[in-house]
Amino acid sequence: GAGVSQSPSNKVTEKGKDVELRCDPISGHTALYWYRQSLGQGLEFLIYFQGNSAPDKSGLPSDRFSAERTGGSVSTLTIQRTQQEDSAVYLCASSATGGTGELFFGEGSRLTVL
Amino acid sequence: DAKTTQPTSMDCAEGRAANLPCNHSTISGNEYVYWYRQIHSQGPQYIIHGLKNNETNEMASLIITEDRKSSTLILPHATLRDTAVYYCIVRARHNAGNNRKLIWGLGTSLAVNP
Repeated sequence: GAGVSQSPSNKVTEKGKDVELRCDPISGHTALYWYRQSLGQGLEFLIYFQGNSAPDKSGLPSDRFSAERTGGSVSTLTIQRTQQEDSAVYLCASSATGGTGELFFGEGSRLTVL
Repeated sequence: DAKTTQPTSMDCAEGRAANLPCNHSTISGNEYVYWYRQIHSQGPQYIIHGLKNNETNEMASLIITEDRKSSTLILPHATLRDTAVYYCIVRARHNAGNNRKLIWGLGTSLAVNP
């Protein structure tokens, strides 16, 4: 597709359930980022993938959060045993290595944990 | 990454120029100034970036002071659709080291009024 695609756009789940959020970056972009944005807050870095390098997981808030990127393209962010404080919009962005450095964001996945 | 300081909110009349300031007094020599905006319920959108020279594109102009410690984003003829949160961030162009984390503040909430 022409832009970064994220799914689902909205997810409502019960506390304790696991959720998976998907990101399909722009074709050819080697860098992929996950951010979290709580209501009225700025973007909080979660994890970064760059090509075949080991991901930078330093922003993941707990071991309930994990992410993978298969084949250097699609990425899945998994949250296990969701808590109410996990409610937020999860944003994915990609960028082209060697480009001008701008990030291209998806529309986000809004997660609500009841 | 250098941090930035922006006013919390600003108002602008439709058709007038919107001038959004940003302070980045700790910017280092290899860091660029990037501007993004986030319209309600959407992912952030890249606007413009610059190193030390003023830049202009179809969306906006970026004026960077000679000492690079501050910059101003100019929307020359603001429209209602420009109502958004505007983020100023500084980063090196390459996806290396701490650059990937991109510290996002709360930005400036710009309201364009009819």
